[in-house]
Amino acid sequence: DIQMTQSPSSLSASVGDSVTITCRASQTIRNYLNWYQQRPGKAPKLLIYAASTLQSGVPSRFSGSGSGTDFTLTITSPQPEDFATYYCQQSYSTPFTFGQGTKLEIK
Amino acid sequence: EVQLVESGGGLVQPGGSLRLSCVDSGFTFSTYSMNWVRQAPGKGLEWVSYISSSSSTIHYADSVKGRFTISRDNAKNSLFLQMNSLRAEDTAVYYCAREAVAESWDYWGQGTLVTVSS
Repeated sequence: DIQMTQSPSSLSASVGDSVTITCRASQTIRNYLNWYQQRPGKAPKLLIYAASTLQSGVPSRFSGSGSGTDFTLTITSPQPEDFATYYCQQSYSTPFTFGQGTKLEIK
Repeated sequence: EVQLVESGGGLVQPGGSLRLSCVDSGFTFSTYSMNWVRQAPGKGLEWVSYISSSSSTIHYADSVKGRFTISRDNAKNSLFLQMNSLRAEDTAVYYCAREAVAESWDYWGQGTLVTVSS
């Protein structure tokens, strides 16, 4: 199974800061890496697919990069609604696996 | 508008069974692969099962293999998860999710809670 390791597990930031979350795969997954946002009590929401492609309707302050085993999600100037938990997920092979999540909190 | 609505969750005793349903609207259900994903209380996301658009390809997580069965009825725009021999560790919110480009999951249902407890 491909293990996905996210860091940090939690992060405090102020509105307007820039934040970066990293995700590392235990083996190459090419660019089969997706990022999801989950607000409390809600279903996950797709933000970025194929490592760097912004899902339709997602604000451009979200961006993704990376390939192979190392990936990043960057939120430029997070807004109040962005404080949530973020998950990376590999869709390269089954079992599809997620990172453990990064909780972004307001400082 | 694309909408996925799960149902069938509830309280069940260990060793019992439940059948979850996910009804889809607003898109051509028969052309999309679908997945079940679960989330235990206070925990992260765990993929459970995958089914291709024609049901020709099915995959399961090791944690549910042999106990859960995924299926679909394209004529009724419905996805199912038959869960047998339930254990306490199966307690979770179960989501259905539509597979889109690059095998990402672009639409999710609101989730249905399954609680396995005596």
